[in-house]
Amino acid sequence: NAGVMQNPRHLVRRRGQEARLRCSPMKGHSHVYWYRQLPEEGLKFMVYLQKENIIDESGMPKERFSAEFPKEGPSILRIQQVVRGDSAAYFCASSNGLSYEQYFGPGTRLTVT
Amino acid sequence: AQSVTQLDSQVPVFEEAPVELRCNYSSSVSVYLFWYVQYPNQGLQLLLKYLSGSTLVKGINGFEAEFNKSQTSFHLRKPSVHISDTAEYFCAVGGSSGSARQLTFGSGTQLTVLP
Repeated sequence: NAGVMQNPRHLVRRRGQEARLRCSPMKGHSHVYWYRQLPEEGLKFMVYLQKENIIDESGMPKERFSAEFPKEGPSILRIQQVVRGDSAAYFCASSNGLSYEQYFGPGTRLTVT
Repeated sequence: AQSVTQLDSQVPVFEEAPVELRCNYSSSVSVYLFWYVQYPNQGLQLLLKYLSGSTLVKGINGFEAEFNKSQTSFHLRKPSVHISDTAEYFCAVGGSSGSARQLTFGSGTQLTVLP
């Protein structure tokens, strides 16, 4: 499957724990975007990364959230000390950087109890 | 700054009837426009895109959209819907502004096709 892969698909965390969401972009893509979808809402941009670089993190909450896209391996979205308001679907998308088309993964649904 | 307004949150329509899902955008830079479809508990699938050229864009599953620059609209249409078209549809805009390659999404339109 050459599509965007995300894991886990579902993640349950208790308040105060850490959540790590992984995204492997489509083959040949080196640009990754993270979006968050709250219940009954559209997707909101969080962060845009290229390999080893954060290009735009204007949508990231100032605290507890971080993202990386190392030279090797998947992109990681990390949420420390999760709170109930972090419960949402987190989607990763990738592109080849030459076009504005983005291809989305199936998402990770985070539930904070 | 960019924004997208999807004027209808819910659109019920009978099977085999035509449908139009409305989308208006605002942007201060050149725009690229997209429609995505999301089935329950799944990711987003690209239906169609406008990048440049012809303002009438054809996509998958029989959908098409027309870019209207003067009205800043990008409405999605299908002449005859099927039950399987029931899903959430999102309009999105991207713009060429430096490093700003992220998409801005509308709040979505739930299309429900009734038998």
